[in-house]
Amino acid sequence: KAGVTQTPRYLIKTRGQQVTLSCSPISGHRSVSWYQQTPGQGLQFLFEYFSETQRNKGNFPGRFSGRQFSNSRSEMNVSTLELGDSALYLCASSLTLRRGEQFFGPGTRLTVL
Amino acid sequence: KNEVEQSPQNLTAQEGEFITINCSYSVGISALHWLQQHPGGGIVSLFMLSSGKKKHGRLIATINIQEKHSSLHITASHPRDSAVYICADTDMRFGAGTRLTVKP
Repeated sequence: KAGVTQTPRYLIKTRGQQVTLSCSPISGHRSVSWYQQTPGQGLQFLFEYFSETQRNKGNFPGRFSGRQFSNSRSEMNVSTLELGDSALYLCASSLTLRRGEQFFGPGTRLTVL
Repeated sequence: KNEVEQSPQNLTAQEGEFITINCSYSVGISALHWLQQHPGGGIVSLFMLSSGKKKHGRLIATINIQEKHSSLHITASHPRDSAVYICADTDMRFGAGTRLTVKP
């Protein structure tokens, strides 16, 4: 079975721009969670989607949004990028909601200049 | 105060040593995750446990729900075990991670 894939793997943007990141879960997995990892804050939960509905949300501003499609693929969007948004963005899929075992993708490294 | 605390932050060991990483959490949970992150960023889920002990190869994880404490043990450590080990509660609040370096 193919693992979780994320595209793109690397991205460079400038302040004020917006960005869309994509995550394809393991086949059959209906839950996709997104995380941000920075050297200062470590890993932080962004949000979780299950069956096309956002089920849980972390403590991030509204500039961070996401969606999930009927095939369980998910995208997250960050608008009006700030320097502090530079991070590794990870998605993880699981069969059930995030309290089940998580399978992580390789991440997208976003640099905001 | 972080709701999930890990210790130590950094750990250096000689190949073959027994390793213990600790995780304490403040909020009652039903299960705890142990994750491994190698340089380059990829994260692998090692264990999800809600009680007692789980073992996978040289890795052993234990949890005491009443004491809100979990430990990850590595027996006969090897340089390829060098990574960051992270615990997380069921609401995916993460510890800061333990950076383990195993020297040959």
